[in-house]
Amino acid sequence: QSVLTQPPSVSAAPGQKVTISCSGTSRNIGYNYVSWYQQLPGTAPKLLIYDNNKRPSGIPDRYSGSKSGASATLTITGLQTGDEADYYCGTWDSSLAGGVFGTGTTVTVL
Amino acid sequence: EVQLMESGGGLVQPGWSQRLACAASGFTFDDHAMHWVRQAPGKGLEWVSGISWNSDNVGYADSVKGRFTISRDNVKNSLFLQMNSLRPEDTAYYYCVKDAMVRGVTKRLVYSLDFWGQGTLVTVSS
Repeated sequence: QSVLTQPPSVSAAPGQKVTISCSGTSRNIGYNYVSWYQQLPGTAPKLLIYDNNKRPSGIPDRYSGSKSGASATLTITGLQTGDEADYYCGTWDSSLAGGVFGTGTTVTVL
Repeated sequence: EVQLMESGGGLVQPGWSQRLACAASGFTFDDHAMHWVRQAPGKGLEWVSGISWNSDNVGYADSVKGRFTISRDNVKNSLFLQMNSLRPEDTAYYYCVKDAMVRGVTKRLVYSLDFWGQGTLVTVSS
């Protein structure tokens, strides 16, 4: 089972903002950098945010990440229909000595 | 352009073995840790295994420890996953994934997973 907890779904109207939380513990998020991944329907995941708040080349600044203690947050502003996807947080768990992902959140644009 | 091409998926009976391969191109393969991440149909992501750039450090999820073995060939730019004693719960899409960190020196295997293959489906069923 997933070690990191995310809300199953979030939704908002086009142009609005959504936030997705990712809750962990001191052995994973509290001690390591967090990444976020976007998975569009029928495709492989794509890196969206790394090192808590950095964007890879080509990722628009509508996507932002933050971390506080053992929790992380992904924020999407100016929501577009193309943002409808599943979003996963991920990091390293120092106790398990393995990678861990969140439970996943489905974003719906109303 | 980074490309990761998985192969070896298919239908296999419970208890049997399967070997996955991933052909990598478009980056300096022996600079990066590599991983296998799986996703059961309709479910979330699960990190399966990772291997450091020089094969000195490998890691496995508890769910596959003792059954799966990861390896790499830095001459042929290839990643492998030997899966033994397969179970129905191993049914999933298996993704070959590149880690962004260049020659990581700590025991931490996963930093950020910056490129993913398209995945290969392994179905374990009688």
